[in-house]
Amino acid sequence: EVQLLESGGGLVQPGGSLRLSCAASGFTFSKYAMNWVRQAPGKGLEWVSTIVSSGVGTYYADSVKGRFTISRDNSKNTVYLEMNSLRADDTAVFYCAREGEGSNIYFKNWGQGTLVTVSP
Amino acid sequence: EIVMTQSPVTLSVSPGERATLSCRASQSVSSNFAWYQHKPGQAPRLLIYGASTRATGVPARFSGSGSGTEFTLTISSLQSEDFAVYYCQQYNDWPLTFGGGTKVEIK
Repeated sequence: EVQLLESGGGLVQPGGSLRLSCAASGFTFSKYAMNWVRQAPGKGLEWVSTIVSSGVGTYYADSVKGRFTISRDNSKNTVYLEMNSLRADDTAVFYCAREGEGSNIYFKNWGQGTLVTVSP
Repeated sequence: EIVMTQSPVTLSVSPGERATLSCRASQSVSSNFAWYQHKPGQAPRLLIYGASTRATGVPARFSGSGSGTEFTLTISSLQSEDFAVYYCQQYNDWPLTFGGGTKVEIK
């Protein structure tokens, strides 16, 4: 059974930093791209970032480009999201998600999410 | 950026009735298209990928159709557990984009 467990969320002041982690199990982690998707309070889903299976390719939403960095450690089956220069509009539940089959970036499996609150 | 527009925003349906949800892409996404169900406090759930392929474990009452720019999710006979928010998503091009969601509520 695929499991994705996010951690690292919390309360941070504007301009601060936070690192999210997502520990994966139940599949061959090194074969799949991994993603972060967020949902701000009262809003819809927003794709944030993707890292390919090898880690050499990364993609970002314009809203986080230059502030967030996605990375992975295939030896630890973990994907990370380093978030800097946080703003109030980054407040959201952040979900980790695994890509689908055939290198198609739909989100086949999701974690339960971790809440990030950016507030003074 | 490919903009995904869902309609209606809210759909009021009685249990047992049919629900039809629509999603339009601002440019062709071929069949690189997915639908998700999201309930409060839960992780989103993949329903449909490739525009029309049901994900593992998704009941047959859910069906997806369309290609290019127009897509439809049909729930043939709504069950109580189907009341939720549904999102569409394109994965044809970067950035990946979601629609704004359709809330299916009890009439």
